[in-house]
Amino acid sequence: GEDVEQSLFLSVREGDSSVINCTYTDSSSTYLYWYKQEPGAGLQLLTYIFSNMDMKQDQRLTVLLNKKDKHLSLRIADTQTGDSAIYFCAESGGSQGNLIFGKGTKLSVKP
Amino acid sequence: GAVVSQHPSWVICKSGTSVKIECRSLDFQATTMFWYRQFPKQSLMLMATSNEGSKATYEQGVEKDKFLINHASLTLSTLTVTSAHPEDSSFYICSATSGRAGNEQFFGPGTRLTVL
Repeated sequence: GEDVEQSLFLSVREGDSSVINCTYTDSSSTYLYWYKQEPGAGLQLLTYIFSNMDMKQDQRLTVLLNKKDKHLSLRIADTQTGDSAIYFCAESGGSQGNLIFGKGTKLSVKP
Repeated sequence: GAVVSQHPSWVICKSGTSVKIECRSLDFQATTMFWYRQFPKQSLMLMATSNEGSKATYEQGVEKDKFLINHASLTLSTLTVTSAHPEDSSFYICSATSGRAGNEQFFGPGTRLTVL
């Protein structure tokens, strides 16, 4: 079945790079997404990548996609305390056109 | 970018009452809206898919008579939690898509429901 897996926690120091990893099972997914959720808030789309790409860069964010291994990663350069949040990986493979989400990775940034 | 709003942002109600949550696409027409539920420290789980003018499609395990969904226009979908119980307390998030290429979904800010 459809499944998206992520590690649950990541702790980094301010100024370091953060790398959040995700694996998915549906090879037919057209798009893969990264969302950010701050406490008590909804989801904010950070970036997405089309399945025929292997890399996308957007300012401090770099998304790498290894389609063979069904592995997606999000790298945040120069991580700031404001980046502390839960990051969700999602794929577009839902049977209703919905997104399938991972459980989220809680990123903690220490000063 | 496209904006989706939800109202109310939070609600506290007594057990046995019904609560209506609205999801609106503010600057685009949403052919499809999705309702997700998120328990604390959990992922978003799809509850139902709502297409304008037709009956909602519910995911397995979601009671359609308890979670009533109405998608009366291309900019509004409502979720009514009927006869709410404490176990219905959760964060409800809607998303909307215009159905254009890319299938990008725009998420509302969520509604925190607490049933006493």
